[in-house]
Amino acid sequence: EVQLVESGGGLVQPGGSLRLTCAASGFTFNNHAMHWVRQAPGKGLEYVSAITSNGGRTYYVDSVRGRFTISRDNSKNTLYLQMGSLRAEDMAVYYCARESSYGSNWYSDYWGQGTLVTVSS
Amino acid sequence: QFVLTQPPSVSGAPGQRVTISCTGSSSNIGAGYDIHWYQQLPGAAPKLLIYGYTNRPSGVPDRFSGSKSGTSASLAITGLQAEDEADYYCQSYDISLRGGVFGGGTKLTVL
Repeated sequence: EVQLVESGGGLVQPGGSLRLTCAASGFTFNNHAMHWVRQAPGKGLEYVSAITSNGGRTYYVDSVRGRFTISRDNSKNTLYLQMGSLRAEDMAVYYCARESSYGSNWYSDYWGQGTLVTVSS
Repeated sequence: QFVLTQPPSVSGAPGQRVTISCTGSSSNIGAGYDIHWYQQLPGAAPKLLIYGYTNRPSGVPDRFSGSKSGTSASLAITGLQAEDEADYYCQSYDISLRGGVFGGGTKLTVL
C-alpha cells in the first residue's frame, strides 16, 4: 500500500524557516518524481515544487523560488521541502504527492494527509 | 485568476447527473496536455479521480466519467450520492507557466 506521511509543519514567525518531511513507503520511491502541493485556508490547490526521480531537476512556483528548496534522499525514501523567509501568504496545508506519468503528461496519483504551516507573529 | 476555469459551485439531487466543466487555453489543453480530476472530501486530502481525461484509477466508481471537447474538459457524476459532496479540481500542465496548474475548484452540493 502506497503511503505518504508528511511532518514538520507548525507555527513559525514571519521571516522564519521550517523543513517539511515526507516519508514514503509501499512503492519504489526512486522511480517517481514527487511534488509538494499547498492549500491555503479555504482556498484551492497550488503546485509549489517538484523534483525528478533522481533529484536532478526541480521546479518551483514563482512565489517561492529562491526561498524554498526541494530535495530527496532516495536511500531513505524521503522527500523534503526546506522553507525560508516565510510569509503570511505561505500559510497553508502542505501535501506531498507522488507523480505518475505517460508521455509528456503527469498527474499526482497518491497524496499524503498534509501538514499545516502557520506563519504568524 | 486560475489558468484552468471551473464553475465555483454545482448542485444536484440524489440520483441525478451533474457535470463540472474545466476550460483551458492554447498553453495547456490546446497544447496537447491532458486534464486530470481530483476529489477532495471535507477535511481530507485530495484523491485522484480521473487521469488522461477519461481514465479511472482502480477503485473509482464508474459513476464518475470524464470527457474532452476542444480546449475544455468535463467531469460527469451520475447517480449522485450524498457521499459525493466534495470539492473537485481539474489539473494539467501549462507551457507558459512551465508547471502544473489546477483549476479553482468546484464545490458540489448534494441537495
